[in-house]
Amino acid sequence: GENVEQHPSTLSVQEGDSAVIKCTYSDSASNYFPWYKQELGKRPQLIIDIRSNVGEKKDQRIAVTLNKTAKHFSLHITETQPEDSAVYFCAASDEGQFYFGTGTSLTVIP
Amino acid sequence: DAGITQSPRHKVTETGTPVTLRCHQTENHRYMYWYRQDPGHGLRLIHYSYGVKDTDKGEVSDGYSVSRSKTEDFLLTLESATSSQTSVYFCAMGSAGVTDTQYFGPGTRLTVL
Repeated sequence: GENVEQHPSTLSVQEGDSAVIKCTYSDSASNYFPWYKQELGKRPQLIIDIRSNVGEKKDQRIAVTLNKTAKHFSLHITETQPEDSAVYFCAASDEGQFYFGTGTSLTVIP
Repeated sequence: DAGITQSPRHKVTETGTPVTLRCHQTENHRYMYWYRQDPGHGLRLIHYSYGVKDTDKGEVSDGYSVSRSKTEDFLLTLESATSSQTSVYFCAMGSAGVTDTQYFGPGTRLTVL
């Protein structure tokens, strides 16, 4: 089955700086890659996604890039704010199953 | 968020006891999923359903069974709960299949003593 690895596991940045979280996947058949944000005690919420026929997607301060050849995708958050502090999960979808990374705990220091 | 609910939200039970968790959605989504979330493991898929009475196993299905008799309800059963099944359980729904967005329920915290 699919194996998704996510790095780093923890990340601290100063407010206003950029944050980058990286994920790799193993199954070339995976074709959908969502990113979720989970605040403490809350449910995961989708923040951005990308499909395998697209290399990059941006939504305001958030962007995701996908390199199918290298089997990795990344989340970029610019101009970070304290409310961006949360755990972020990447995922890869293959044949009806979603495989999640182990999460990155992002702390934005005011 | 109101389109998908879980019950109960918290449960404490004893080893060997059967437990059923319920997921209910009001969005008429075809796909429903059950995950468990544990520290260091992220979210792991237990079972999923792609229609009424159509289910399939996920990554960590041992010890769990599911049923879907109606579009809106997806039940997760632990036939004989073990301490290793202490976890937070999330259900999710999606509409168009494997490449569609998943919307998560609020979660159920299960403790098996």
